[in-house]
Amino acid sequence: QVQLVESGGGVVQPGRSLRLSCAASGISFSTSGMHWVRQAPGKGLEWVAMILYDGSGNYYAGSVKGRFTISRDNSKNTVYLQMNSLRAEDTALYYCARDKALQALDYWGQGTQVTVSS
Amino acid sequence: EIVLTQSPATLSLSPGERATLSCRASQSVSSYLAWYQQKPGQAPRLLIYGASNRATGIPARFSGSGSGTDFTLTVSSLEPEDFAVYYCQQRSNWPLTFGGGTKVEIK
Repeated sequence: QVQLVESGGGVVQPGRSLRLSCAASGISFSTSGMHWVRQAPGKGLEWVAMILYDGSGNYYAGSVKGRFTISRDNSKNTVYLQMNSLRAEDTALYYCARDKALQALDYWGQGTQVTVSS
Repeated sequence: EIVLTQSPATLSLSPGERATLSCRASQSVSSYLAWYQQKPGQAPRLLIYGASNRATGIPARFSGSGSGTDFTLTVSSLEPEDFAVYYCQQRSNWPLTFGGGTKVEIK
């Protein structure tokens, strides 16, 4: 049974940092690309970042490039999202998801809430 | 950045009716298009990838078609559990992008 469990969300002031984690089980993590996708309250889905299976490459949405960093630890079956210089518009539910052969996102976690507010 | 435009924004239908959802890309994405279903309080679920391939466990009443810039998701006969929001997503170019969604509601 595939499980992706996000953690690390919370309430943070603008300009501060937060690190999200996503622990995976039931998949071949070390051969899977991983994504972060977010959803602001009442809004649609916004792709945030992706990291290749071996960490050799990563990609970012323009809205987070230079502020967010995606990384992974294959020994821990965990992907991370380091979020710096947070803004109010980063407030969202953050999902991690597995990449399906660079075509789609086939498994999703339940998300962790990030609220940026003073 | 490739912009995906979904229409209509809301589709009001009755159970048993056919649903036809559209996704138009601002430039060609070949067949690199996926569809997702999201119900309130739940994570998205992959329905279709590669424009027309059903994901594992997805019922045959869901089908996808199209290529290039125009894509369609069809639900042949709506079941009560199909009332949800549907998103398209392209992976032809970075950054990946999602459409704004179509809400299928009960008429």
